[in-house]
Amino acid sequence: ILNVEQSPQSLHVQEGDSTNFTCSFPSSNFYALHWYRWETAKSPEALFVMTLNGDEKKKGRISATLNTKEGYSYLYIKGSQPEDSATYLCAFSGGSGYSTLTFGKGTMLLVSP
Amino acid sequence: ETGVTQSPTHLIKTRGQQVTLRCSSQSGHNTVSWYQQALGQGPQFIFQYYREEENGRGNFPPRFSGLQFPNYSSELNVNALELDDSALYLCASSLPGVSGNTIYFGEGSWLTVV
Repeated sequence: ILNVEQSPQSLHVQEGDSTNFTCSFPSSNFYALHWYRWETAKSPEALFVMTLNGDEKKKGRISATLNTKEGYSYLYIKGSQPEDSATYLCAFSGGSGYSTLTFGKGTMLLVSP
Repeated sequence: ETGVTQSPTHLIKTRGQQVTLRCSSQSGHNTVSWYQQALGQGPQFIFQYYREEENGRGNFPPRFSGLQFPNYSSELNVNALELDDSALYLCASSLPGVSGNTIYFGEGSWLTVV
Protein backbone atom coordinates (compact mmCIF):
# COMPACT_ATOMS: atom_id res chain seq x y z
CA ILE A 1 0.00 0.00 0.00
CA LEU A 2 1.45 3.33 -1.06
CA ASN A 3 1.53 5.98 1.64
CA VAL A 4 1.81 9.69 0.92
CA GLU A 5 2.03 11.89 3.99
CA GLN A 6 1.71 15.66 4.16
CA SER A 7 2.55 17.96 7.04
CA PRO A 8 1.40 20.05 8.64
CA GLN A 9 -2.28 19.21 8.34
CA SER A 10 -3.16 22.90 8.57
CA LEU A 11 -1.37 26.18 8.89
CA HIS A 12 -2.46 29.71 9.76
CA VAL A 13 -0.03 32.51 8.89
CA GLN A 14 -0.10 36.27 8.57
CA GLU A 15 0.12 38.09 5.28
CA GLY A 16 3.77 38.47 4.32
CA ASP A 17 4.97 35.37 6.17
CA SER A 18 6.85 32.73 4.25
CA THR A 19 5.85 29.15 4.77
CA ASN A 20 6.64 25.64 3.66
CA PHE A 21 4.95 22.24 3.59
CA THR A 22 6.30 18.73 3.38
CA CYS A 23 5.23 15.75 1.33
CA SER A 24 6.77 12.33 1.91
CA PHE A 25 6.27 9.44 -0.49
CA PRO A 26 7.68 6.01 -1.34
CA SER A 27 11.21 6.28 -2.74
CA SER A 28 10.88 3.19 -4.93
CA ASN A 29 9.16 2.88 -8.34
CA PHE A 30 9.01 6.65 -8.64
CA TYR A 31 7.63 8.33 -11.76
CA ALA A 32 6.57 11.82 -10.68
CA LEU A 33 5.45 14.02 -7.82
CA HIS A 34 2.57 16.42 -8.45
CA TRP A 35 1.61 19.49 -6.42
CA TYR A 36 -1.89 20.95 -6.63
CA ARG A 37 -3.49 24.02 -5.15
CA TRP A 38 -7.19 23.53 -4.38
CA GLU A 39 -9.62 26.27 -3.49
CA THR A 40 -13.10 25.44 -2.26
CA ALA A 41 -15.65 24.87 -5.04
CA LYS A 42 -12.97 24.95 -7.73
CA SER A 43 -10.98 22.27 -9.52
CA PRO A 44 -7.51 21.41 -8.20
CA GLU A 45 -4.99 23.63 -9.97
CA ALA A 46 -1.79 21.93 -11.11
CA LEU A 47 1.24 23.76 -9.71
CA PHE A 48 4.18 21.49 -10.50
CA VAL A 49 5.03 18.09 -11.91
CA MET A 50 8.46 16.99 -10.73
CA THR A 51 10.25 13.97 -12.10
CA LEU A 52 14.00 14.24 -11.43
CA ASN A 53 15.86 13.96 -8.15
CA GLY A 54 17.07 17.42 -7.17
CA ASP A 55 14.40 19.14 -9.29
CA GLU A 56 13.54 22.66 -8.23
CA LYS A 57 10.59 24.44 -9.82
CA LYS A 58 9.23 27.93 -9.35
CA LYS A 59 5.98 29.67 -10.23
CA GLY A 60 5.82 33.23 -8.99
CA ARG A 61 6.16 33.19 -5.21
CA ILE A 62 5.71 29.41 -5.01
CA SER A 63 8.56 26.96 -5.43
CA ALA A 64 9.11 23.26 -4.85
CA THR A 65 12.02 20.87 -4.42
CA LEU A 66 12.24 17.14 -4.87
CA ASN A 67 14.37 14.42 -3.26
CA THR A 68 13.45 11.04 -4.74
CA LYS A 69 16.21 9.13 -2.94
CA GLU A 70 14.79 9.92 0.48
CA GLY A 71 11.20 10.35 -0.68
CA TYR A 72 10.24 13.91 0.14
CA SER A 73 9.27 17.18 -1.51
CA TYR A 74 8.96 20.66 -0.06
CA LEU A 75 6.61 23.38 -1.24
CA TYR A 76 7.57 26.95 -0.32
CA ILE A 77 5.44 30.08 -0.47
CA LYS A 78 7.33 33.35 -0.13
CA GLY A 79 5.48 36.37 1.26
CA SER A 80 2.07 34.66 1.67
CA GLN A 81 -0.98 36.58 0.51
CA PRO A 82 -4.64 36.02 1.50
CA GLU A 83 -5.30 34.69 -2.02
CA ASP A 84 -2.83 31.86 -1.29
CA SER A 85 -5.36 30.44 1.17
CA ALA A 86 -6.21 26.99 -0.14
CA THR A 87 -5.51 23.31 0.39
CA TYR A 88 -2.22 22.16 -1.08
CA LEU A 89 -2.17 18.55 -2.21
CA CYS A 90 0.75 16.44 -3.25
CA ALA A 91 0.32 13.27 -5.28
CA PHE A 92 2.77 10.51 -6.10
CA SER A 93 2.80 8.59 -9.34
CA GLY A 94 4.76 5.36 -9.52
CA GLY A 95 4.38 1.67 -10.01
CA SER A 96 0.71 1.74 -10.96
CA GLY A 97 1.22 3.91 -14.00
CA TYR A 98 2.31 7.37 -14.96
CA SER A 99 -1.10 8.94 -14.61
CA THR A 100 -2.41 7.10 -11.55
CA LEU A 101 -2.01 9.34 -8.54
CA THR A 102 -1.79 8.53 -4.85
CA PHE A 103 -2.64 11.64 -2.87
CA GLY A 104 -1.78 12.88 0.57
CA LYS A 105 -4.53 14.38 2.70
CA GLY A 106 -3.35 17.91 1.97
CA THR A 107 -2.20 20.93 3.94
CA MET A 108 -4.86 23.58 4.53
CA LEU A 109 -3.31 27.06 4.47
CA LEU A 110 -5.08 30.13 5.80
CA VAL A 111 -3.40 33.49 5.29
CA SER A 112 -4.84 36.34 7.35
CA PRO A 113 -4.55 39.98 6.20
CA GLU B 1 -10.02 26.61 -16.34
CA THR B 2 -8.69 23.09 -16.76
CA GLY B 3 -10.90 22.11 -19.68
CA VAL B 4 -12.31 19.17 -17.71
CA THR B 5 -16.04 19.46 -17.08
CA GLN B 6 -18.17 17.30 -14.82
CA SER B 7 -21.89 16.92 -14.31
CA PRO B 8 -23.94 17.10 -12.25
CA THR B 9 -22.24 19.32 -9.69
CA HIS B 10 -24.41 18.13 -6.80
CA LEU B 11 -26.91 15.35 -6.35
CA ILE B 12 -28.72 13.49 -3.62
CA LYS B 13 -29.60 9.81 -3.90
CA THR B 14 -31.22 7.25 -1.67
CA ARG B 15 -29.39 4.19 -0.39
CA GLY B 16 -29.76 1.31 -2.86
CA GLN B 17 -30.22 3.55 -5.89
CA GLN B 18 -27.86 3.87 -8.83
CA VAL B 19 -26.03 7.00 -10.00
CA THR B 20 -24.21 8.07 -13.17
CA LEU B 21 -21.65 10.86 -13.15
CA ARG B 22 -20.26 12.35 -16.34
CA CYS B 23 -16.96 13.86 -17.41
CA SER B 24 -15.70 15.59 -20.53
CA SER B 25 -11.94 15.46 -20.74
CA GLN B 26 -9.65 18.20 -21.95
CA SER B 27 -9.43 18.28 -25.74
CA GLY B 28 -7.09 15.60 -27.05
CA HIS B 29 -6.70 13.81 -23.71
CA ASN B 30 -7.47 10.13 -24.21
CA THR B 31 -6.84 9.02 -20.61
CA VAL B 32 -9.51 9.66 -17.98
CA SER B 33 -9.31 8.73 -14.32
CA TRP B 34 -11.87 8.92 -11.54
CA TYR B 35 -11.15 9.67 -7.90
CA GLN B 36 -13.30 9.66 -4.76
CA GLN B 37 -12.65 12.15 -2.01
CA ALA B 38 -14.36 11.35 1.26
CA LEU B 39 -14.39 13.86 4.09
CA GLY B 40 -10.98 14.35 5.66
CA GLN B 41 -9.18 12.22 3.09
CA GLY B 42 -7.14 12.86 -0.01
CA PRO B 43 -8.65 11.77 -3.34
CA GLN B 44 -8.58 7.97 -3.79
CA PHE B 45 -8.08 6.40 -7.22
CA ILE B 46 -11.12 4.48 -8.48
CA PHE B 47 -10.17 3.52 -12.03
CA GLN B 48 -8.72 4.79 -15.27
CA TYR B 49 -9.83 4.52 -18.89
CA TYR B 50 -7.57 4.70 -21.92
CA ARG B 51 -9.02 4.49 -25.41
CA GLU B 52 -12.33 3.12 -24.10
CA GLU B 53 -10.73 0.31 -22.08
CA GLU B 54 -10.30 0.11 -18.31
CA ASN B 55 -6.58 0.57 -17.70
CA GLY B 56 -6.17 0.21 -13.96
CA ARG B 57 -8.38 0.01 -10.93
CA GLY B 58 -8.06 1.00 -7.30
CA ASN B 59 -9.50 -0.74 -4.27
CA PHE B 60 -13.18 -0.22 -5.10
CA PRO B 61 -15.87 -2.92 -5.40
CA PRO B 62 -17.37 -3.98 -8.77
CA ARG B 63 -20.49 -1.89 -8.16
CA PHE B 64 -18.25 1.01 -9.22
CA SER B 65 -18.03 0.80 -12.99
CA GLY B 66 -17.26 3.10 -15.85
CA LEU B 67 -17.30 3.78 -19.53
CA GLN B 68 -15.26 5.83 -21.93
CA PHE B 69 -16.70 6.95 -25.24
CA PRO B 70 -14.98 7.46 -28.63
CA ASN B 71 -14.78 11.21 -27.93
CA TYR B 72 -12.92 10.31 -24.67
CA SER B 73 -15.69 11.53 -22.41
CA SER B 74 -16.41 9.19 -19.54
CA GLU B 75 -19.04 8.02 -17.09
CA LEU B 76 -18.77 6.69 -13.57
CA ASN B 77 -21.63 4.44 -12.49
CA VAL B 78 -22.25 3.35 -8.94
CA ASN B 79 -24.88 0.70 -8.23
CA ALA B 80 -26.54 -0.19 -4.92
CA LEU B 81 -25.50 3.06 -3.31
CA GLU B 82 -24.35 2.96 0.30
CA LEU B 83 -24.17 5.80 2.79
CA ASP B 84 -20.35 5.65 2.67
CA ASP B 85 -20.44 6.47 -1.04
CA SER B 86 -21.24 10.05 -0.07
CA ALA B 87 -18.20 11.95 -1.33
CA LEU B 88 -16.79 14.29 -3.94
CA TYR B 89 -16.06 12.46 -7.19
CA LEU B 90 -13.30 13.96 -9.30
CA CYS B 91 -12.51 13.28 -12.92
CA ALA B 92 -8.99 13.79 -14.28
CA SER B 93 -7.70 13.79 -17.83
CA SER B 94 -4.23 13.49 -19.25
CA LEU B 95 -2.16 12.30 -22.15
CA PRO B 96 -0.78 8.82 -21.57
CA GLY B 97 2.67 7.41 -21.34
CA VAL B 98 4.89 10.24 -20.08
CA SER B 99 5.61 10.65 -16.40
CA GLY B 100 5.97 14.41 -16.58
CA ASN B 101 2.54 15.07 -18.04
CA THR B 102 0.25 17.40 -16.15
CA ILE B 103 -2.99 15.79 -15.01
CA TYR B 104 -6.00 18.10 -15.09
CA PHE B 105 -9.01 17.83 -12.80
CA GLY B 106 -12.60 18.90 -13.03
CA GLU B 107 -14.48 20.61 -10.21
CA GLY B 108 -16.08 17.38 -9.12
CA SER B 109 -19.54 16.02 -8.47
CA TRP B 110 -20.79 16.05 -4.90
CA LEU B 111 -22.83 12.94 -4.14
CA THR B 112 -24.89 12.65 -0.98
CA VAL B 113 -26.49 9.29 -0.19
CA VAL B 114 -29.31 9.37 2.34
